[in-house]
Amino acid sequence: NAGVTQTPKFRVLKTGQSMTLLCAQDMNHEYMYWYRQDPGMGLRLIHYSVGEGTTAKGEVPDGYNVSRLKKQNFLLGLESAAPSQTSVYFCASSWDVEQYFGPGTRLTVT
Amino acid sequence: AQSVAQPEDQVNVAEGNPLTVKCTYSVSGNPYLFWYVQYPNRGLQFLLKYITGDNLVKGSYGFEAEFNKSQTSFHLKKPSALVSDSALYFCAVRGLNNDMRFGAGTRLTVKP
Repeated sequence: NAGVTQTPKFRVLKTGQSMTLLCAQDMNHEYMYWYRQDPGMGLRLIHYSVGEGTTAKGEVPDGYNVSRLKKQNFLLGLESAAPSQTSVYFCASSWDVEQYFGPGTRLTVT
Repeated sequence: AQSVAQPEDQVNVAEGNPLTVKCTYSVSGNPYLFWYVQYPNRGLQFLLKYITGDNLVKGSYGFEAEFNKSQTSFHLKKPSALVSDSALYFCAVRGLNNDMRFGAGTRLTVKP
């Protein structure tokens, strides 16, 4: 039982490039989330999903898109990366109250 | 809107002394409150939660938290700190979309 996994662990992008972050969970959870963590600001919700085929905006959605084509996967896309998107990205999943977090992806945009 | 605040960026304690990491909350309705810990270059690990019931909640690694409705607080405590407890601690409240609203975090340093 791997829990929540994220791919890749690290990535460096140039401004304007695009990329997709993959989150996978093997706990059959309905809810999945993408957060970003910046120093002194805690974690902020980017997008979330309440089930396969559904997505919704969180607190800081601008510049990101998501898709949940399969229940176990939640993809976060950056269409045109900007330096302001340099951050650590965490995926989480839950069934009810408690959320389980992945190990994170450290993204640097130069 | 659901929110939490952690008034201290940094807490320093000596090993063996009791520790407290503070958290206050602002919610509509009954709060679902959480504490998570983050070690360097790692994801967040769940410590404990309060949903209902006893105001003193016991969690992992000897941590506990006290829910105080009148003071709208949910402080994290441990009777005797260890050097290995040094980490970043986050208080969180469940949001209206079943997401988590996190505080800014408190860095705990336990000195030998």
